[in-house]
Amino acid sequence: QKEVEQDPGPLSVPEGAIVSLNCTYSNSAFQYFMWYRQYSRKGPELLMYTYSSGNKEDGRFTAQVDKSSKYISLFIRDSQPSDSATYLCAMKSGDNYGQNFVFGPGTRLSVLP
Amino acid sequence: DAGVTQSPTHLIKTRGQQVTLRCSPKSGHDTVSWYQQALGQGPQFIFQYYEEEERQRGNFPDRFSGHQFPNYSSELNVNALLLGDSALYLCASSLDFGGGAQETQYFGPGTRLLVL
Repeated sequence: QKEVEQDPGPLSVPEGAIVSLNCTYSNSAFQYFMWYRQYSRKGPELLMYTYSSGNKEDGRFTAQVDKSSKYISLFIRDSQPSDSATYLCAMKSGDNYGQNFVFGPGTRLSVLP
Repeated sequence: DAGVTQSPTHLIKTRGQQVTLRCSPKSGHDTVSWYQQALGQGPQFIFQYYEEEERQRGNFPDRFSGHQFPNYSSELNVNALLLGDSALYLCASSLDFGGGAQETQYFGPGTRLLVL
């Protein structure tokens, strides 16, 4: 079992739809959770950063963390064609020297006009 | 405020050659991590540098080595290139808050390496 699993997609939705992206993980030591957006042939861009369980909202984006289920989600409201990209979840432990950021394989999203 | 920069943007090498990739961290950051991202995959952690020393290493062979300079910039060196080394190489920088605790990482645009 991979440490972080993510549905690779591709996921196609119409403009204006609510998008739900998910990751599951196996390492209970993970405490920091991030979502990155990566456009084709570009570096990942940080979207959301959360610590431990709970929700965090930033504009059209909401990140949810459920540590009991080892499950994290990213919701995108009112999706736009410009949201078309690959979305990567990443996480790391809280140990001072556990600085390895572990990434999921990414979900490719297409928002159709 | 300059973000993370990397050079070159693209590189073509042949098997057996050696390559050096360069990274300048975001202003104010002191920690640099390197990742390899194969096509259709998430980034895989290679190693992290802090205070000019390798602090942590992922599951990569010794052909992959690095260096961090006093100005926090970093280099990734890969010797004896293999076809399988073809990938996007990403540099990420962060700020160490002390004792190894860090804020999250910010990525550069990457260097796309093709090994023929």
